[in-house]
Amino acid sequence: QSVLTQPPSMSAAPGQRVIISCFGSSSNIGNNHVSWYHQIPGTAPKLLIYDNNKRPSGIPDRFSGSKSDTSATLDITGLQTGDEGAYYCATWDYRLGGWVFGGGTKLT
Amino acid sequence: EVKVGESGGVVVQPGGSLTLSCAASGFAFDDHVMHWVRQAPGKGLEWVSTVNWDGSVTYYTESVKGRFAVSRGNSKNSLYLQMNYLSVDDTAMYYCARGGNTNLDAFGFWGQGTLVTVSS
Repeated sequence: QSVLTQPPSMSAAPGQRVIISCFGSSSNIGNNHVSWYHQIPGTAPKLLIYDNNKRPSGIPDRFSGSKSDTSATLDITGLQTGDEGAYYCATWDYRLGGWVFGGGTKLT
Repeated sequence: EVKVGESGGVVVQPGGSLTLSCAASGFAFDDHVMHWVRQAPGKGLEWVSTVNWDGSVTYYTESVKGRFAVSRGNSKNSLYLQMNYLSVDDTAMYYCARGGNTNLDAFGFWGQGTLVTVSS
Protein backbone atom coordinates (compact mmCIF):
# COMPACT_ATOMS: atom_id res chain seq x y z
CA GLN A 1 0.00 0.00 0.00
CA SER A 2 1.69 3.19 -1.21
CA VAL A 3 1.48 6.46 0.71
CA LEU A 4 0.59 8.24 -2.53
CA THR A 5 -2.37 6.85 -4.48
CA GLN A 6 -2.37 6.59 -8.27
CA PRO A 7 -4.68 4.69 -10.61
CA PRO A 8 -2.97 1.39 -11.45
CA SER A 9 -3.60 1.65 -15.17
CA MET A 10 -4.94 3.90 -17.90
CA SER A 11 -5.28 3.57 -21.64
CA ALA A 12 -5.73 6.00 -24.50
CA ALA A 13 -5.22 6.20 -28.24
CA PRO A 14 -2.38 8.05 -29.96
CA GLY A 15 -3.11 11.75 -30.19
CA GLN A 16 -5.44 11.74 -27.23
CA ARG A 17 -5.00 13.27 -23.80
CA VAL A 18 -4.63 11.58 -20.45
CA ILE A 19 -4.57 12.97 -16.93
CA ILE A 20 -2.94 10.89 -14.19
CA SER A 21 -3.85 11.68 -10.60
CA CYS A 22 -1.81 11.36 -7.42
CA PHE A 23 -3.50 11.64 -4.02
CA GLY A 24 -1.63 12.20 -0.79
CA SER A 25 -2.05 14.01 2.51
CA SER A 26 -0.99 17.10 4.41
CA SER A 27 2.27 15.49 5.50
CA ASN A 28 3.45 14.97 1.93
CA ILE A 29 1.82 16.59 -1.11
CA GLY A 30 0.10 19.18 1.05
CA ASN A 31 3.42 20.66 2.13
CA ASN A 32 6.00 19.70 -0.48
CA HIS A 33 6.67 19.84 -4.17
CA VAL A 34 5.67 16.90 -6.36
CA SER A 35 7.78 15.35 -9.09
CA TRP A 36 6.78 12.90 -11.81
CA TYR A 37 8.80 10.13 -13.46
CA HIS A 38 8.33 7.98 -16.54
CA GLN A 39 9.71 4.47 -16.76
CA ILE A 40 9.72 2.34 -19.88
CA PRO A 41 9.98 -1.38 -18.98
CA GLY A 42 13.58 -2.51 -18.64
CA THR A 43 14.95 1.02 -18.37
CA ALA A 44 15.65 3.53 -15.62
CA PRO A 45 13.07 6.11 -14.57
CA LYS A 46 13.31 9.57 -16.09
CA LEU A 47 12.31 12.88 -14.53
CA LEU A 48 9.38 14.52 -16.31
CA ILE A 49 8.16 17.20 -13.92
CA TYR A 50 9.69 18.74 -10.79
CA ASP A 51 8.46 21.33 -8.31
CA ASN A 52 4.85 20.50 -9.25
CA ASN A 53 4.87 22.02 -12.72
CA LYS A 54 8.41 22.58 -14.05
CA ARG A 55 9.88 20.64 -16.95
CA PRO A 56 13.57 19.74 -17.20
CA SER A 57 15.24 20.68 -20.44
CA GLY A 58 14.36 18.26 -23.20
CA ILE A 59 10.90 17.37 -21.88
CA PRO A 60 8.25 18.52 -24.40
CA ASP A 61 5.43 20.83 -23.37
CA ARG A 62 2.97 18.00 -24.03
CA PHE A 63 3.74 17.11 -20.42
CA SER A 64 2.45 19.39 -17.68
CA GLY A 65 1.91 19.07 -13.95
CA SER A 66 -0.19 20.76 -11.34
CA LYS A 67 -0.88 20.52 -7.63
CA SER A 68 -3.84 21.45 -5.48
CA ASP A 69 -3.97 20.90 -1.72
CA THR A 70 -3.11 17.23 -1.20
CA SER A 71 -3.34 16.02 -4.78
CA ALA A 72 -1.35 16.40 -7.99
CA THR A 73 -1.93 15.63 -11.64
CA LEU A 74 0.19 14.89 -14.68
CA ASP A 75 -1.40 15.94 -17.96
CA ILE A 76 -0.14 14.42 -21.20
CA THR A 77 -1.52 15.68 -24.51
CA GLY A 78 -0.94 14.43 -28.05
CA LEU A 79 -0.12 10.92 -26.85
CA GLN A 80 2.62 9.06 -28.71
CA THR A 81 3.50 5.38 -28.64
CA GLY A 82 6.72 6.26 -26.84
CA ASP A 83 4.66 7.57 -23.93
CA GLU A 84 3.71 4.04 -22.93
CA GLY A 85 5.12 2.76 -19.66
CA ALA A 86 4.73 3.51 -15.98
CA TYR A 87 4.35 6.94 -14.43
CA TYR A 88 5.20 7.65 -10.80
CA CYS A 89 4.56 10.67 -8.59
CA ALA A 90 6.84 11.37 -5.64
CA THR A 91 7.35 13.84 -2.83
CA TRP A 92 8.89 14.22 0.63
CA ASP A 93 6.81 13.17 3.59
CA TYR A 94 7.49 15.12 6.79
CA ARG A 95 5.83 12.56 9.05
CA LEU A 96 7.83 9.65 7.67
CA GLY A 97 11.02 11.67 7.26
CA GLY A 98 11.67 10.43 3.75
CA TRP A 99 10.58 10.30 0.15
CA VAL A 100 7.40 8.51 -0.89
CA PHE A 101 6.35 7.29 -4.32
CA GLY A 102 2.95 6.56 -5.75
CA GLY A 103 2.28 2.96 -6.74
CA GLY A 104 2.65 3.86 -10.39
CA THR A 105 0.24 4.15 -13.31
CA LYS A 106 0.77 1.89 -16.29
CA LEU A 107 -0.18 3.77 -19.42
CA THR A 108 -1.10 1.78 -22.51
CA GLU B 1 27.15 14.93 -19.95
CA VAL B 2 25.73 13.90 -16.58
CA LYS B 3 26.26 10.22 -15.84
CA VAL B 4 25.68 7.99 -12.83
CA GLY B 5 26.42 4.29 -12.92
CA GLU B 6 25.81 1.62 -10.30
CA SER B 7 27.80 -1.53 -9.64
CA GLY B 8 28.12 -4.28 -7.08
CA GLY B 9 24.84 -6.12 -7.47
CA VAL B 10 25.14 -9.91 -7.09
CA VAL B 11 23.33 -12.94 -5.72
CA VAL B 12 23.76 -13.10 -1.94
CA GLN B 13 22.39 -15.41 0.72
CA PRO B 14 19.86 -14.24 3.34
CA GLY B 15 21.69 -12.67 6.23
CA GLY B 16 24.59 -11.68 4.04
CA SER B 17 26.16 -8.31 3.31
CA LEU B 18 26.88 -6.32 0.19
CA THR B 19 28.14 -2.89 -0.79
CA LEU B 20 26.83 -1.10 -3.85
CA SER B 21 28.74 1.70 -5.55
CA CYS B 22 27.66 4.53 -7.81
CA ALA B 23 30.16 6.43 -9.94
CA ALA B 24 29.19 9.93 -11.01
CA SER B 25 30.57 12.22 -13.68
CA GLY B 26 29.69 15.30 -15.68
CA PHE B 27 28.62 17.47 -12.75
CA ALA B 28 29.90 18.91 -9.47
CA PHE B 29 29.27 15.84 -7.33
CA ASP B 30 29.72 17.59 -3.98
CA ASP B 31 27.06 20.16 -4.89
CA HIS B 32 24.33 17.53 -4.93
CA VAL B 33 22.29 15.39 -2.59
CA MET B 34 22.37 11.75 -3.73
CA HIS B 35 19.77 9.01 -3.39
CA TRP B 36 19.26 5.27 -3.61
CA VAL B 37 15.93 4.01 -4.94
CA ARG B 38 15.01 0.35 -5.47
CA GLN B 39 12.47 -1.57 -7.47
CA ALA B 40 11.52 -5.15 -6.64
CA PRO B 41 10.77 -7.37 -9.65
CA GLY B 42 7.43 -6.38 -11.16
CA LYS B 43 6.82 -3.73 -8.49
CA GLY B 44 6.95 0.05 -8.20
CA LEU B 45 9.68 2.40 -7.08
CA GLU B 46 10.69 2.54 -3.42
CA TRP B 47 12.97 5.22 -1.96
CA VAL B 48 15.75 3.69 0.14
CA SER B 49 18.16 6.38 1.32
CA THR B 50 19.38 9.95 0.89
CA VAL B 51 22.68 11.58 1.80
CA ASN B 52 23.50 15.27 1.85
CA TRP B 53 26.45 16.86 0.06
CA ASP B 54 29.14 15.98 2.59
CA GLY B 55 27.69 12.80 4.06
CA SER B 56 26.90 14.37 7.41
CA VAL B 57 23.11 13.96 7.11
CA THR B 58 21.44 10.72 6.05
CA TYR B 59 17.88 9.46 5.72
CA TYR B 60 16.55 5.90 5.39
CA THR B 61 13.26 4.21 4.74
CA GLU B 62 12.03 2.44 7.85
CA SER B 63 12.57 -1.10 6.56
CA VAL B 64 16.33 -0.62 6.13
CA LYS B 65 17.16 1.46 9.22
CA GLY B 66 19.90 -0.18 11.22
CA ARG B 67 20.81 -2.51 8.35
CA PHE B 68 21.85 -0.19 5.51
CA ALA B 69 24.35 2.67 5.59
CA VAL B 70 24.78 5.28 2.87
CA SER B 71 28.04 7.15 2.40
CA ARG B 72 29.88 9.11 -0.23
CA GLY B 73 33.43 9.83 -1.29
CA ASN B 74 33.43 13.25 -2.86
CA SER B 75 37.08 13.00 -3.85
CA LYS B 76 36.14 9.95 -5.92
CA ASN B 77 32.75 11.24 -7.11
CA SER B 78 31.23 8.10 -5.66
CA LEU B 79 28.19 7.05 -3.66
CA TYR B 80 27.94 3.84 -1.65
CA LEU B 81 25.30 1.71 0.02
CA GLN B 82 26.47 -0.79 2.61
CA MET B 83 23.75 -3.41 3.08
CA ASN B 84 23.78 -5.86 6.00
CA TYR B 85 21.44 -8.59 7.23
CA LEU B 86 19.92 -8.88 3.79
CA SER B 87 16.55 -10.59 3.40
CA VAL B 88 14.62 -11.84 0.40
CA ASP B 89 12.54 -8.65 0.62
CA ASP B 90 15.65 -6.67 -0.33
CA THR B 91 15.76 -8.34 -3.74
CA ALA B 92 15.48 -5.49 -6.23
CA MET B 93 17.10 -3.35 -8.86
CA TYR B 94 18.92 -0.59 -7.00
CA TYR B 95 19.16 2.80 -8.68
CA CYS B 96 21.46 5.67 -7.82
CA ALA B 97 19.89 9.07 -8.50
CA ARG B 98 21.22 12.61 -8.41
CA GLY B 99 19.21 15.06 -6.38
CA GLY B 100 19.42 18.80 -6.08
CA ASN B 101 20.88 21.05 -3.45
CA THR B 102 18.52 19.86 -0.72
CA ASN B 103 16.90 16.56 0.26
CA LEU B 104 13.58 17.97 -1.00
CA ASP B 105 14.67 18.34 -4.62
CA ALA B 106 13.59 15.87 -7.29
CA PHE B 107 15.60 12.92 -8.57
CA GLY B 108 17.04 14.57 -11.64
CA PHE B 109 19.25 11.86 -13.15
CA TRP B 110 19.15 8.10 -12.68
CA GLY B 111 21.63 5.34 -13.34
CA GLN B 112 20.69 2.13 -15.11
CA GLY B 113 20.60 0.19 -11.86
CA THR B 114 22.33 -2.83 -10.39
CA LEU B 115 20.44 -6.00 -9.49
CA VAL B 116 20.62 -7.44 -5.99
CA THR B 117 19.18 -10.91 -5.53
CA VAL B 118 18.88 -12.36 -2.04
CA SER B 119 18.38 -16.08 -2.27
CA SER B 120 19.56 -19.28 -0.67
